[in-house]
Amino acid sequence: LAKTTQPISMDSYEGQEVNITCSHNNIATNDYITWYQQFPSQGPRFIIQGYKTKVTNEVASLFIPADRKSSTLSLPRVSLSDTAVYYCLVGVRLFSGGYNKLIFGAGTRLAVHP
Amino acid sequence: DVKVTQSSRYLVKRTGEKVFLECVQDMDHENMFWYRQDPGLGLRLIYFSYDVKMKEKGDIPEGYSVSREKKERFSLILESASTNQTSMYLCASSSGPGLAGEVGELFFGEGSRLTVL
Repeated sequence: LAKTTQPISMDSYEGQEVNITCSHNNIATNDYITWYQQFPSQGPRFIIQGYKTKVTNEVASLFIPADRKSSTLSLPRVSLSDTAVYYCLVGVRLFSGGYNKLIFGAGTRLAVHP
Repeated sequence: DVKVTQSSRYLVKRTGEKVFLECVQDMDHENMFWYRQDPGLGLRLIYFSYDVKMKEKGDIPEGYSVSREKKERFSLILESASTNQTSMYLCASSSGPGLAGEVGELFFGEGSRLTVL
């Protein structure tokens, strides 16, 4: 199973761009990379998913290099409300056409300061 | 609005009690999951189910069992609760993989905080 490695914590200030990098050296050919956000006392919430190159939505961008051994979540112009834990996941397909077993790591605790 | 509902937000049980944690989703999802979350350890997968009456062990199934009699409901059972099972329990559901193989988005419930005394 592909494991992920992220920084334990990061600090930033309002209005800055934040980049959180995740390492997944053993990613398999069919694996997608997904990021989740979790606020205290809530379940994680999907942010973005990608397979290669760059994906952008209204919340974030995801950059994936050609070798796919890492990925970077980019949050533009963060605000205090972006203070949360961010998880990088690599999906594992257990059999053709089947379900995906998603493994969460410890995540990155982002603190945004005024 | 999609919804995953966990029956209890807070529970306090005694060692040796049998504990049921219920989870219901209204999205007709095939896949359902139970995680536990502990400080510094992130979320760890206990069990998951990809169809009614089907279940698979996750990374930490010891001391737990599950039941999925209906598609929308996935129950986590602690046969004999122990203090080391004090934790936040999170249920999630997702649709099957997409046509391109993309992973279905996980939808989480609010969590059930269990304390075992």
